[in-house]
Amino acid sequence: DAGITQSPRHKVTETGTPVTLRCHQTENHRYMYWYRQDPGHGLRLIHYSYGVKDTDKGEVSDGYSVSRSKTEDFLLTLESATSSQTSVYFCAIRGTGGYGEQYFGPGTRLTVT
Amino acid sequence: AQSVSQHNHHVILSEAASLELGCNYSYGGTVNLFWYVQYPGQHLQLLLKYFSGDPLVKGIKGFEAEFIKSKFSFNLRKPSVQWSDTAEYFCAVNAGRDDKIIFGKGTRLHILP
Repeated sequence: DAGITQSPRHKVTETGTPVTLRCHQTENHRYMYWYRQDPGHGLRLIHYSYGVKDTDKGEVSDGYSVSRSKTEDFLLTLESATSSQTSVYFCAIRGTGGYGEQYFGPGTRLTVT
Repeated sequence: AQSVSQHNHHVILSEAASLELGCNYSYGGTVNLFWYVQYPGQHLQLLLKYFSGDPLVKGIKGFEAEFIKSKFSFNLRKPSVQWSDTAEYFCAVNAGRDDKIIFGKGTRLHILP
């Protein structure tokens, strides 16, 4: 276990409301990632961070923003949630082995009604 | 652009059968390769990884994978599966010194008791 927690673990929200998901890590990893997982699509990268205040977009970043003001926390915000953002969201950190491996948090199941 | 293909979307086997899941990637340079497993309702866990050296790598739970550079393949194998191997398996590639991993769409493995 890479010391990653995600909160909340489950959330139901209404279309048009803002939602923030939190990823917290305890091992001072530099790289952190947000993915969404949907049936038939595997994992798709939303945004990632390579340091405090340093972030970049992934392949499905539209409708999402991120912030990283502290090494240990990486926040994912849906500014105005839509039903297409109903998904399971996973946070990951990059391991320190130098080979790009990632370790995942337990996930957040988000339902937008 | 880099991509990862997993040939089998859904595999059904009986206990004690042998398993081979196919994975091919598209990238001409140095790669680091991974297999992840996701048990029902859980997050992704790293099963094994290859970055250099012996192309036959062994992972946890009796799994192994073989890297064949000429075929751009990294197939996952297990000589004798168990009911507890029922899960979804993801192949992933980290190409060059990229910050990101590209995931395949996954193979659902169902083991009949």
